Amino acid sequence: AQTVTQSQPEMSVQEAETVTLSCTYDTSENNYYLFWYKQPPSRQMILVIRQEAYKQQNATENRFSVNFQKAAKSFSLKISDSQLGDTAMYFCAFGNFNKFYFGSGTKLNVKP
Amino acid sequence: ETGVTQTPRHLVMGMTNKKSLKCEQHLGHNAMYWYKQSAKKPLELMFVYNFKEQTENNSVPSRFSPECPNSSHLFLHLHTLQPEDSALYLCASSQEEGSGLPTRDTQYFGPGTRLTVL
Repeated sequence: AQTVTQSQPEMSVQEAETVTLSCTYDTSENNYYLFWYKQPPSRQMILVIRQEAYKQQNATENRFSVNFQKAAKSFSLKISDSQLGDTAMYFCAFGNFNKFYFGSGTKLNVKP
Repeated sequence: ETGVTQTPRHLVMGMTNKKSLKCEQHLGHNAMYWYKQSAKKPLELMFVYNFKEQTENNSVPSRFSPECPNSSHLFLHLHTLQPEDSALYLCASSQEEGSGLPTRDTQYFGPGTRLTVL
C-alpha cells in the first residue's frame, strides 16, 4: 500500500520565522513524484513545490524548500521568512504511474 | 486562478434529487480527476480520466456517475445521495505523457463544489 502521513495536524509560526512541515510516505516503487500543495482558506489548492524521486537534489522555490530523504521516505517542507499569506492547509502528496495519494494535511497559522 | 473552473460553487440537495457537478479546464491537459475532500480526512481520489477514458474508479458508490465528453470537460452526476456524501468535491487536471501511462505529475485544482446533502 502507498500511504502518505502528515503527523502534525496543526502548527503555528511567527511571521518572518522558519517552520518545517513533516511528511512521510510508504511505497515500494522507485520512480515517483512528491508534492506539497497549499490550500488557503476558501481558496483553490495550488502547487507549492514538486520533487522527482530520481533527483537527489532538493527542490527549492523561493522561500520554500524540501528535505527529501528517499531512503527514509521522508519529504519535509521548510518555509523560510514566513508571511501571513502562508496561512493555509498544506498537503503532502505522492504520485506515480498507478496512484496519487494525499496526506491528511497540516494547518499552518502564521501569526503577526 | 489555476485554469480549472467548477460550477456550482455551492449545492444543497435532498437525498432524492439528481444534480450534476461541472468542471472545465482551460490548460490543454489530457487527464482529469474527481476528488472528495471531507473534514479531517485525506483527499480521496474518486475517478480518473486519461485521454477521455476512465482509467480509475476507486470503489466509488454507483450513486456517483462521472462523464467526460472531451478532454476539457468533466461532470459528476449525483443521484440518491446520502448525508455522509456532504463534502467539498474537487476537480483537477494534469498533462500526462503521450505513452498513455499516467505519470501522476502536477495537478491543477479547481475551487471545488461544496455539497450539502440534507
